[in-house]
Amino acid sequence: AQKITQTQPGMFVQEKEAVTLDCTYDTSDPSYGLFWYKQPSSGEMIFLIYQGSYDQQNATEGRYSLNFQKARKSANLVISASQLGDSAMYFCAMQRGFGNEKLTFGTGTRLTIIP
Amino acid sequence: EADIYQTPRYLVIGTGKKITLECSQTMGHDKMYWYQQDPGMELHLIHYSYGVNSTEKGDLSSESTVSRIRTEHFPLTLESARPSHTSQYLCASSYRANTEAFFGQGTRLTVV
Repeated sequence: AQKITQTQPGMFVQEKEAVTLDCTYDTSDPSYGLFWYKQPSSGEMIFLIYQGSYDQQNATEGRYSLNFQKARKSANLVISASQLGDSAMYFCAMQRGFGNEKLTFGTGTRLTIIP
Repeated sequence: EADIYQTPRYLVIGTGKKITLECSQTMGHDKMYWYQQDPGMELHLIHYSYGVNSTEKGDLSSESTVSRIRTEHFPLTLESARPSHTSQYLCASSYRANTEAFFGQGTRLTVV
């Protein structure tokens, strides 16, 4: 069975600092995808970044980067130069296997940026 | 910006009422999903559809039902609402595997 683990229920970070949100996963499928979503207090889910299991390089999208360590089964999200608007819940999710679009989500990390 | 819409955003309803949560997308995606999320918790898949007339149950057992008569429309129905159904319901769609799912803004349902 697939499982996503996020061990940080909450984090407080000073504005402009970098922050790393942890995510580990467990799957027996050789092909899978890893996603990070942001959920502000308004409730919608905003896609941030994607990493495929066969991708050789770590994914980057603007201030977001994904530190993908396949052997350790970790996919940590790094946010550089944090901003007040980054305060939100962050969910790591895994797409299970090739051709399977269903997502398994972790329990999330609530990030609070302190001015 | 994602073109997927959910109505209503908020709903407070009495026990025993029948309700339908609406979800529509204009991106032509074949795959659509319903997730349930309790406050501050993870999302759980309750229904998904790979296309018209294709619906299946998700990982989390739910008393709700869904239908997919048109590609763009994926409504969720509760025949008799109960307080245990109080939760946020998020609809999503995707084009194919290895691409992101686009989410609607969610419906926050409260059954009193």
